[in-house]
Parts: sequence; structure tokens; C-alpha cells
Amino acid sequence: GAGVSQSPSNKVTEKGKDVELRCDPISGHTALYWYRQRLGQGLEFLIYFQGNSAPDKSGLPSDRFSAERTGESVSTLTIQRTQQEDSAVYLCASSLGPSRVNEQFFGPGTRLTVL
Amino acid sequence: AQTVTQSQPEMSVQEAETVTLSCTYDTSESDYYLFWYKQPPSRQMILVIRQEAYKQQNATENRFSVNFQKAAKSFSLKISDSQLGDAAMYFCAYVSGAGSYQLTFGKGTKLSVIP
Repeated sequence: GAGVSQSPSNKVTEKGKDVELRCDPISGHTALYWYRQRLGQGLEFLIYFQGNSAPDKSGLPSDRFSAERTGESVSTLTIQRTQQEDSAVYLCASSLGPSRVNEQFFGPGTRLTVL
Repeated sequence: AQTVTQSQPEMSVQEAETVTLSCTYDTSESDYYLFWYKQPPSRQMILVIRQEAYKQQNATENRFSVNFQKAAKSFSLKISDSQLGDAAMYFCAYVSGAGSYQLTFGKGTKLSVIP
């Protein structure tokens, strides 16, 4: 595709349920990033993939959060036993490589609401 | 740890006028990049402008320019000839030295453009 795509666009779930959020990066981009954006806040880094390995998981807020990536393609962010504080927009970005000089291209995000 | 501060939660500007958005950051490093991102209601983060810390010349992109004051750790964005399409959230972001990729964002400034 022409840009980073994410699905679903919006997700409403009940507290305690598991959710999966999907990201399709730009073709050829080896680096992929997940961020969380709480209401009225900037973006918080969650995790970074280079290819299908995740050398930096430092931003994951708890062990309820996990992510995987298939090759240099689709990534899935999974949140288990969701809590109300997980409500946020989850943004995915990809870049040609992990270097800071490479622009990170963002997707439109998934708005997660936990009731 | 690096921090990015945007002290103006909201700003407004008359169409065709000029507005300046403020950003300060805190770092002990000398080698870094600074960014301004635009986030319209569609939620997709769009890179507006980028500044390398080692460059003294201020970056410009059409109607967008920055005032980079390295000693003061200040990085303001000037939007000239404001257009209705400029209305959005604007985020200042920082990434540190070589080998880094993790963006640190400010909390954002909501810009309204008055017709």
C-alpha cells in the first residue's frame, strides 16, 4: 500500500477482554514502531521492531502488552485483560531503517476504548 | 532522560496571518534531531519539518520555518500565511544521538485557524 495502515480504526471492548491491533507498514520498511497516545497527551513509545525481532521493548507498560511481527510485514499488538487505563489511540509507524535520520511514517491509529 | 515541553496547549491565528508555536527540550547531548509533526483530526501524524542539531541554519519548508536556539534549547515553529488546512494538533519531538530512533514527544499544541 501507499502508506501505513492500521485496523481496526476503532475498537470498543469490555474490561478484562483481550484485543489485537494490526499494523501494515509501508512495503520495504524494515523498522516498525508502536506508540500510545492518551487523551490530551503526546505519543509514548511502546516497542520497536527491526525485521521480525524486537530489540527494544522498553516502552511496554506491563506484561499484559505484547507484540509480534511477521518478517518485515504485518505487526500485531496484543493487550490482554484490558483495563480502563488502556484506553488510548495506538499508533504504528514504519521507516526504511531504525536510524533517526529516516523519517517515521505514521498510520491513522486505532482508537481503543475499554468500558 | 530527555524531555520535551510545549507550554501552549492551544493557539489560534487569523487566516493569512503568522503564528509561532513554542517548544523547549532538555538534553545533555550535543547530537540530536528535532521535529515538528502535525496531527489533523484524521489522527495521522505528518512530519512538517526537521532540524539537525549540528546545523546552525534554521530549517524551512515552504510556509513553515523554525527558530532553533541550541544554547537555549528552544525550537519554535513559525507558520506564515496560515491556511484553514493548518488547523491541527502540532507536536514537537526529539531523538538523540547516533543509533537512536525513539522519538520523545511533547504534549502538543492545538492550533485553530479563524477564517
